[in-house]
Amino acid sequence: LAKTTQPISMDSYEGQEVNITCSHNNIATNDYITWYQQFPSQGPRFIIQGYKTKVTNEVASLFIPADRKSSTLSLPRVSLSDTAVYYCLVGLPVDDYKLSFGAGTTVTVRA
Amino acid sequence: GAGVSQTPSNKVTEKGKYVELRCDPISGHTALYWYRQSLGQGPEFLIYFQGTGAADDSGLPNDRFFAVRPEGSVSTLKIQRTERGDSAVYLCASSPSGGGIETQYFGPGTRLLVL
Repeated sequence: LAKTTQPISMDSYEGQEVNITCSHNNIATNDYITWYQQFPSQGPRFIIQGYKTKVTNEVASLFIPADRKSSTLSLPRVSLSDTAVYYCLVGLPVDDYKLSFGAGTTVTVRA
Repeated sequence: GAGVSQTPSNKVTEKGKYVELRCDPISGHTALYWYRQSLGQGPEFLIYFQGTGAADDSGLPNDRFFAVRPEGSVSTLKIQRTERGDSAVYLCASSPSGGGIETQYFGPGTRLLVL
């Protein structure tokens, strides 16, 4: 499993865009990049997954440069309810079912 | 539809006691996972079930921990002779068939406190 590095915490205000960058220098050719979100007192929830370039869904966008050694999760126009811990995971080849969470990035959105 | 449910939501026990934590996965999901999350840390893998069998129990910390899934749906995580260091949130997740690329759906967790 590729090791990931992401900031411990980030602060933002309502309506702003939040970008969380994750470094994964030793990502393997077949690895995917996945982000999970965890609210207090809840289990993690899948947000988005990508392999290269850009992926967008109703919650977030994921930007992956050509070398794939990093990725950026972008949360547009955050609200107070986006306050959570965000985890970057790399790996998940076909048989890799063990999700390997680091400490994640705690995003705090203020009014 | 119904998500993954876990009971109890909170469990307080005394050192040395035995506890059981239950997980009800999403109906039809053959893969079930247990994770443990300590305060300020991300979840750590404990065990993976494919159907009724434990396909990978390499994350169980020692032989005091055991998990079963006798009918391929509900799973129970059992902890014998609990220690204060076992205090954590125990999370259960399920996925449709267990492929690594699949999204895992997590329950809310059981918060275990060992006094």
